[in-house]
Amino acid sequence: SYELTQPPSVSVSPGQTARITCSGDALPKQYAYWYQQKPGQAPVLVIYKDSERPSGIPERFSGSSSGTTVTLTISGVQAEDEADYYCQSADSSGTHVVFGGGTKLTVL
Amino acid sequence: QLQLQESGPGLVKPSETLSLTCTVSGGSISSSSYYWGWIRQPPGKGLEWIGSIYYSGSTYYNPSLKSRVTISVDTSKNQFSLKLSSVTAADTAVYYCARHQVGVVTAISGAFDIWGQGTMVTVSS
Repeated sequence: SYELTQPPSVSVSPGQTARITCSGDALPKQYAYWYQQKPGQAPVLVIYKDSERPSGIPERFSGSSSGTTVTLTISGVQAEDEADYYCQSADSSGTHVVFGGGTKLTVL
Repeated sequence: QLQLQESGPGLVKPSETLSLTCTVSGGSISSSSYYWGWIRQPPGKGLEWIGSIYYSGSTYYNPSLKSRVTISVDTSKNQFSLKLSSVTAADTAVYYCARHQVGVVTAISGAFDIWGQGTMVTVSS
């Protein structure tokens, strides 16, 4: 079955830039989406169609794509950005949805 | 403002069927721009897509759960529902319903843009 691979954890100091990657063979064909999930809360969409930002999401959140890897970048990380981040996409057939395993972002 | 709310039993016995309903308020479930999905999250683990349904009844399921899952829609009540049969302890999770944007590439290749708060379901005797 198709998988999206994320690093389990990323740590950064406040004000630094955090980059979280997501790899999958179908990513050149399918858009990727990113969600932020804080403890006890439902996920929130922060990036859609690889690099678009929904209204209300701070400009410090951005996304990019290169080949089989997509990247969520958080510039000028703030303490409130500490959360789990998940990528989501579809398999090559586009008939199954897949989530990455999630990355825990720690703000030191 | 569109809202989704999950409802159903919080405790289900092993081998029985888990049943949940998602009520959509503040908008119509019969929109041509959206599917409606179920996602679950076992305690301390990641997100797993269960399946998605269109207002017409068209469905897509996670192949790993397909043999046990049925998702249905009731447009008159603005609700969609999940049934998961033959549950075990491995099905213990927070279950979320979410609005699933129709994708640009294929029907379900879009994002989940609005989520319910989630409901915890425990499988135990």
